[in-house]
Amino acid sequence: AQKITQTQPGMFVQEKEAVTLDCTYDTSDPSYGLFWYKQPSSGEMIFLIYQGSYDQQNATEGRYSLNFQKARKSANLVISASQLGDSAMYFCAMRAPTGANSKLTFGKGITLSVRP
Amino acid sequence: GAGVSQTPSNKVTEKGKYVELRCDPISGHTALYWYRQSLGQGPEFLIYFQGTGAADDSGLPNDRFFAVRPEGSVSTLKIQRTERGDSAVYLCASSFQGPYNEQFFGPGTRLTVL
Repeated sequence: AQKITQTQPGMFVQEKEAVTLDCTYDTSDPSYGLFWYKQPSSGEMIFLIYQGSYDQQNATEGRYSLNFQKARKSANLVISASQLGDSAMYFCAMRAPTGANSKLTFGKGITLSVRP
Repeated sequence: GAGVSQTPSNKVTEKGKYVELRCDPISGHTALYWYRQSLGQGPEFLIYFQGTGAADDSGLPNDRFFAVRPEGSVSTLKIQRTERGDSAVYLCASSFQGPYNEQFFGPGTRLTVL
């Protein structure tokens, strides 16, 4: 079975600063994919970034980067140059095995608040 | 292009009633997923369709829940004899065979069972 753990309480960051949102995972599948989604107060889940278990480099998408530490089973999201619009819930999710359309297992999420 | 749409956006019903929730996926997406999100939690998987068939229904909590996708596009989640514990936001997502197979989510249907 797959498990995603997000234990940080609500996070606060000053506008224009960087913030790291933690995610640890557990799976027995050697091939898996890790996703981060953003959920603003409107409720819609927005895909941010993907990391495959066999990817040699950490994923980056604009201001988002993923600090992937496979041995520690962690996939932390780093948001650089925070903006007020980054205030939202952030969910880490896993699909295992990867390469196929299959379900996502989500963590409980982290609330991020960006202060002006 | 249009994203995933879900109707209704809000549904209030009484305990014991039957409800249907509709999902219209992104055109051309062959995979469709239903999730349920309770307050303060992440989405929990219910069922996944590949085309018209249910490829994985392991997340359906009991036989009161059923979903169909008869033509491989629109899907309907059906809940019989609703209970107060069914109150949640029901999210639909669709995906295509791309590099990440990421799922694109709809805005959800908020179901309240009184």
